Amino acid sequence: KQEVTQIPAALSVPEGENLVLNCSFTDSAIYNLQWFRQDPGKGLTSLLLIQSSQREQTSGRLNASLDKSSGRSTLYIAASQPGDSATYLCAVRGNYGQNFVFGPGTRLSVLP
Amino acid sequence: EAGVAQSPRYKIIEKRQSVAFWCNPISGHATLYWYQQILGQGPKLLIQFQNNGVVDDSQLPKDRFSAERLKGVDSTLKIQPAKLEDSAVYLCASSLDFGVRNTEAFFGQGTRLTVV
Repeated sequence: KQEVTQIPAALSVPEGENLVLNCSFTDSAIYNLQWFRQDPGKGLTSLLLIQSSQREQTSGRLNASLDKSSGRSTLYIAASQPGDSATYLCAVRGNYGQNFVFGPGTRLSVLP
Repeated sequence: EAGVAQSPRYKIIEKRQSVAFWCNPISGHATLYWYQQILGQGPKLLIQFQNNGVVDDSQLPKDRFSAERLKGVDSTLKIQPAKLEDSAVYLCASSLDFGVRNTEAFFGQGTRLTVV
């Protein structure tokens, strides 16, 4: 059974800092991994999708990497801004039409 | 492109009452998911449909929860009778068929259920 963990659970940084969020999963037989952002009281917004054959994906100030063999993904946020404050969730999808299994999320606060 | 639509946005009911949620996925998306998100936790899958067939309902409390996806498009999730521990946000998501490389999941805004 796939299990996903995220470290740290919460993070508070001053504006402008670069930061790294971590996601670990127990079963490396994944189809893809997706990073989401969730604002309070809102649904999930997709940030980046990494296929199992890819090593990283970039979108603007965001860069996500995937090391399938070690069961890890990182989300790098460059030059953080107060508007980046949200909960960041990673989810992995298994190889056989399986659903997305989510981690508990990292709650990020970027202070002005 | 329209996103995943869910209604209602909020619902407050008393325990033992029944409630239903509705979801309209992105047009052309064959796979539809219902997730339950308890405050402070990541979403947990309740049921996954591919077209109008159930792929995975192993975590659905079938004694009180039911879901259907008639004609492989819209879906409804029902709880009857509700318990206090059902208070959560219910998220609907959709994605293209698994056989298609781009299987990115898109989520609706969710329905926040409070059981009192």
